[in-house]
Amino acid sequence: RKEVEQDPGPFNVPEGATVAFNCTYSNSASQSFFWYRQDCRKEPKLLMSVYSSGNEDGRFTAQLNRASQYISLLIRDSKLSDSATYLCVVNFNKFYFGSGTKLNVKP
Amino acid sequence: GAVVSQHPSRVICKSGTSVKIECRSLDFQATTMFWYRQFPKQSLMLMATSNEGSKATYEQGVEKDKFLINHASLTLSTLTVTSAHPEDSSFYICSARGGNEVTEAFFGQGTRLTVV
Repeated sequence: RKEVEQDPGPFNVPEGATVAFNCTYSNSASQSFFWYRQDCRKEPKLLMSVYSSGNEDGRFTAQLNRASQYISLLIRDSKLSDSATYLCVVNFNKFYFGSGTKLNVKP
Repeated sequence: GAVVSQHPSRVICKSGTSVKIECRSLDFQATTMFWYRQFPKQSLMLMATSNEGSKATYEQGVEKDKFLINHASLTLSTLTVTSAHPEDSSFYICSARGGNEVTEAFFGQGTRLTVV
């Protein structure tokens, strides 16, 4: 079983839509969690960390469910510029990446 | 935010030659560096983890004699792809982390290697 699993998508949504991604992880001892964004042929960039109590940064909300071992990312009011691949990252001594979920926001 | 510089960004080499990729942390001390490989339309796959001053730990299936990693200082790690073959063509990315284990990792720009 992979350490981190994500639905690859693509998710095709219109501008202004709300979209949510989930990610599951296998190691219950995982220490920290992140969402990264990767544009085509570029390096991943940190979007936000994920805290146990859930956290929000503008249009983005991240949540962690340790009991069910998943994290989620909610994007509200999608913009064209949100089109990218979103990578779920789980840290237990090493950083393990999900395969990424591709988001296409269309006009 | 912290900056990680990776060089070169793009390299084309002949089959059988070796290629060295450098990863530098510019404004923090990277106690741990990670090397990843990403094939087209696939996820980032961790190749190895290196801690400053010690031997790298390789993931299963990654040949340590082919992918030589050196982490000689707190700001520099290198990956050398030895005797490169066309199947080694990929996007290689390093990331660096400081002393606190829960901090996020910062990524280099990536190196696109093409072996012809």
